Amino acid sequence: AQTVTQSQPEMSVQEAETVTLSCTYDTSESDYYLFWYKQPPSRQMILVIRQEAYKQQNATENRFSVNFQKAAKSFSLKISDSQLGDAAMYFCAYMAETSGSRLTFGEGTQLTVNP
Amino acid sequence: DAGVIQSPRHEVTEMGQEVTLRCKPISGHDYLFWYRQTMMRGLELLIYFNNNVPIDDSGMPEDRFSAKMPNASFSTLKIQPSEPRDSAVYFCASSKGQGLNSGYGYTFGSGTRLTVV
Repeated sequence: AQTVTQSQPEMSVQEAETVTLSCTYDTSESDYYLFWYKQPPSRQMILVIRQEAYKQQNATENRFSVNFQKAAKSFSLKISDSQLGDAAMYFCAYMAETSGSRLTFGEGTQLTVNP
Repeated sequence: DAGVIQSPRHEVTEMGQEVTLRCKPISGHDYLFWYRQTMMRGLELLIYFNNNVPIDDSGMPEDRFSAKMPNASFSTLKIQPSEPRDSAVYFCASSKGQGLNSGYGYTFGSGTRLTVV
């Protein structure tokens, strides 16, 4: 069974600084997608970024980028120039073709942004 | 598009009562998912539908839970009878395509916070 692990329950960063959230996963699949979702206090789940496992190039969306290490099964999220609005719970998630569109989530990392 | 619409946003009910949560997926999306979020268990998939047909309900915790999707634009999750341990946030999500063909992750609704007292 696939598992997703986020080893950092809480992280904090100063406004305008950079922070990296960690995620590791376990799978025997070769084709899959990885995602980072953001859940602010409004509890809306918002897709931040996604990565296709067959792509070696790391995905980037504005201030958000990932470091995807397929061999190490690692998928970290880097937030540059952190803003107060980035404060939220961040979930790493995994989806494989054979899982029938099932998303498996990590435990989440609560990010605090200090002014 | 209004996104995935869930109702109600909050629900407080007494133990033993029937609770019905509602979801309207994004038009054109052929997959619909129900997730439950709790502090103890995180986000867990309860059931999902493809073209209104239930595909995998292995995450439904027990017979007190049931879900239906009578048409492409509406789904319900029912708990009867409800118990305090059912208190959680229930999310509905929809996507177009399966697995890697969807590729874009899901679009989630805003969730229903259920409190059973």
